[in-house]
Amino acid sequence: GQNIDQPTEMTATEGAIVQINCTYQTSGFNGLFWYQQHAGEAPTFLSYNVLDGLEEKGRFSSFLSRSKGYSYLLLKELQMKDSASYLCAVKIKNTDKLIFGTGTRLQVFP
Amino acid sequence: DVKVTQSSRYLVKRTGEKVFLECVQDMDHENMFWYRQDPGLGLRLIYFSYDVKMKEKGDIPEGYSVSREKKERFSLILESASTNQTSMYLCASRLGSMNTEAFFGQGTRLTVV
Repeated sequence: GQNIDQPTEMTATEGAIVQINCTYQTSGFNGLFWYQQHAGEAPTFLSYNVLDGLEEKGRFSSFLSRSKGYSYLLLKELQMKDSASYLCAVKIKNTDKLIFGTGTRLQVFP
Repeated sequence: DVKVTQSSRYLVKRTGEKVFLECVQDMDHENMFWYRQDPGLGLRLIYFSYDVKMKEKGDIPEGYSVSREKKERFSLILESASTNQTSMYLCASRLGSMNTEAFFGQGTRLTVV
């Protein structure tokens, strides 16, 4: 079976740094995606990792360790608009399946 | 910009009705997906299609079927709607055979009464 775990909720303060973790146990792995979803809206793509290491994109970075089945999304210089759910998704090897975790709801306070 | 359009934002249907949810994408993507999203359960894959007339079951296909007669359109069918199918339904599409991101529609909030 497929198992992707994320914390349910996190809180942080404006201007701070927050790290959202994702661990996965899947039948094959071919890349990990992070999405942002504001309440009532569609998920939008943030980042993609297929090799081990850190990918940086402005205030957002994503890290992957395939041997540990672990990824994190790092958000720096938090803004109020970063309050949203963050979804981790794994592409299953040899298929076109994208399997999502349950998502982490982040609340940013002033 | 990639556009994925779902036919309705909100739907209310009665138990036992046959329900069609339509999704259209305009970027010639091979892969299309239907998910449902419920609080505490995240996005769960119902069905996906990797090409016209090709489909595969996801994790929760029971009570659903799909149709992909044309590349741009992927339909989700609830054969006989039940109250436990009340949910947010999200359609997504992506290029096949490449590790590209999926693009999502705005979602259809379905209530079965």
